[in-house]
Amino acid sequence: EPEVTQTPSHQVTQMGQEVILRCVPISNHLYFYWYRQILGQKVEFLVSFYNNEISEKSEIFDDQFSVERPDGSNFTLKIRSTKLEDSAMYFCASSGSADRDPNQPQHFGDGTRLSIL
Amino acid sequence: AQRVTQPEKLLSVFKGAPVELKCNYSYSGSPELFWYVQYSRQRLQLLLRHISRESIKGFTADLNKGETSFHLKKPFAQEEDSAMYYCALSTGGFKTIFGAGTRLFVKA
Repeated sequence: EPEVTQTPSHQVTQMGQEVILRCVPISNHLYFYWYRQILGQKVEFLVSFYNNEISEKSEIFDDQFSVERPDGSNFTLKIRSTKLEDSAMYFCASSGSADRDPNQPQHFGDGTRLSIL
Repeated sequence: AQRVTQPEKLLSVFKGAPVELKCNYSYSGSPELFWYVQYSRQRLQLLLRHISRESIKGFTADLNKGETSFHLKKPFAQEEDSAMYYCALSTGGFKTIFGAGTRLFVKA
């Protein structure tokens, strides 16, 4: 069964540095998402991406964050000038082989644990 | 405001007992509701969605628009049901809001 894959599984970065989290969604999916989960807290929506542009973003997703689908297979989350509070588990998800139906179940990756020192 | 509330952080039941994981939502439009589950050392995965009205692994969930609830139920809990359960609301666009999750522990 196809899976969403995320790399790396754990990323340790110095505060102030930039980090790129990578995801390979399921190949025929059309909708892509990033979530984060701070330790002990709920899963929080960050951003959704469809048709090569951001569809929706949360208030968390400020100018520090950006997403890109550079080559038709990878889906990346870039965090510039990282802060201590960016430490969290970041999940990528994809859904939907049917166009214009974003409410299809999402398939999640295993997550990347980001630790900011 | 759009919100999903799971009032119980931890629910502990004995094997064979009925289980109900509560979920309430706040949304003015027509909601799409899901239950996701995360077993130990596994990824988050879909358990069921309200629109499909199916039973997965013995679990069912009924959308009650009057009470704005989508509680997850199983008549006889099994040890392998022990996991973290998340209720999630999709708002008809491209955003999904998760509840805080309930950890279900089924005791032998």
